[in-house]
Amino acid sequence: GIQVEQSPPDLILQEGANSTLRCNFSDSVNNLQWFHQNPWGQLINLFYIPSGTKQNGRLSATTVATERYSLLYISSSQTTDSGVYFCAVVIGGSQGNLIFGKGTKLSVKP
Amino acid sequence: KAGVTQTPRYLIKTRGQQVTLSCSPISGHRSVSWYQQTPGQGLQFLFEYFSETQRNKGNFPGRFSGRQFSNSRSEMNVSTLELGDSALYLCASSLEWDNEQFFGPGTRLTVL
Repeated sequence: GIQVEQSPPDLILQEGANSTLRCNFSDSVNNLQWFHQNPWGQLINLFYIPSGTKQNGRLSATTVATERYSLLYISSSQTTDSGVYFCAVVIGGSQGNLIFGKGTKLSVKP
Repeated sequence: KAGVTQTPRYLIKTRGQQVTLSCSPISGHRSVSWYQQTPGQGLQFLFEYFSETQRNKGNFPGRFSGRQFSNSRSEMNVSTLELGDSALYLCASSLEWDNEQFFGPGTRLTVL
C-alpha cells in the first residue's frame, strides 16, 4: 500500500524561527491534508492541498503531486505552534480513508 | 456551522465489556469515518460510512463494528474489550470521499 513519510520526526525551535516540514508519499493521491494535533488530541485542519500552494497567515503549504511530496512552512514560530503536525493522503478508488504519516513533533521554546 | 461532535469524551471500561461511541457529523456531510490513534500504531483507519452503508473498512478484527443512521450520525461499537483497545477514537466527516475531512474532539477510551 501507499507509504506516507514525514520528516523530521522531531523539531525544536526557538520562538521566532522558521521551519519546513516535509511529507513524501509513494503513489498518486486524490487528496492531501495537513493537520495540527492540539494537546487535547483534536486534529485541527491546516490545509486541504492536493496540489499547488496555499497560505494562511504565518503558515503556507505546497504540494507537488507529480513529484509526490508536500511541504508545510511555519514562519515566525510561536510557542502555541507546538504540537504534532500530521500529513494525510487519500488514494483513489472511492476509498475515502485518510492514510496518515507518523507526524512531526514540534516544540517551540520561548 | 457546528463542527463534528463526539460523545462521550472520556470512557473507562474493563476487559471483556463492550462500548458504543457516537459521532454527529457537520450538517450536510454524508461521509463519516472512524480512526484509532495509539502511541504505537499511530492513526489508523477503522471504517467509513456513506448514506448508511459501510463503504470501506480498515484492517481491524470483527469486534469493531459501526453503523450510520439516516441523519448521518454514526456509532461505533467495540465488543469484548481488550487492554490494547485503549486509544483515542476520532471521527471525521466530509461531503464526499475525496473532499476535505473535519475531525471531532475524539473519545479517549481506557480499558482496565
